[in-house]
Amino acid sequence: DAGITQSPRHKVTETGTPVTLRCHQTENHRYMYWYRQDPGHGLRLIHYSYGVKDTDKGEVSDGYSVSRSKTEDFLLTLESATSSQTSVYFCAISESQGILYGYTFGSGTRLTVV
Amino acid sequence: AQTVTQSQPEMSVQEAETVTLSCTYDTSESDYYLFWYKQPPSRQMILVIRQEAYKQQNATENRFSVNFQKAAKSFSLKISDSQLGDAAMYFCAYRSGRGSSNTGKLIFGQGTTLQVKP
Repeated sequence: DAGITQSPRHKVTETGTPVTLRCHQTENHRYMYWYRQDPGHGLRLIHYSYGVKDTDKGEVSDGYSVSRSKTEDFLLTLESATSSQTSVYFCAISESQGILYGYTFGSGTRLTVV
Repeated sequence: AQTVTQSQPEMSVQEAETVTLSCTYDTSESDYYLFWYKQPPSRQMILVIRQEAYKQQNATENRFSVNFQKAAKSFSLKISDSQLGDAAMYFCAYRSGRGSSNTGKLIFGQGTTLQVKP
């Protein structure tokens, strides 16, 4: 597809376990974002990155951390998964603040915390 | 803070007919961009159309057009000649314009599920 891949595509995990989701891009885009999608809420921003090792919080960042050690990889970690973090997670990239074309989205990761 | 509201959780349309999805937003900014995204059952997010706030002319992409009312902070999507493949969830989204504080983040509405009846 568009040079962005998310892994895994599906994951079931137990409450209290750590989970890491990976977003990998081949577009060399500067900006990367993690969103979660929940019914009735649309997509909400968790964390974003504007360069290697440059990250910041979004509106629903509690319980999540991120890391970006290389341009192409943006990792989202749930330190201790809770049932409220059951959701579909999307990664997105943009070249220059998404001015012309918005974002390119990954295919999403469906995470279930039991 | 900016907000985006889609007040129609679900809509339905007959194939070949026209349907309009509503979106309102709140912002104190004058420079911004608005988008409509389509999410079919495959879960992929697909950009349908975008509108720059500084442009008065409504954007159009084939069967998709918008009615952008800047003063009313309204950004509706019109789908003409609806097709079965248009069935999906549609999201309205807002992004701040250029500026030092612009992080490029999108603010999404809650989404509207569109059903197309044959």
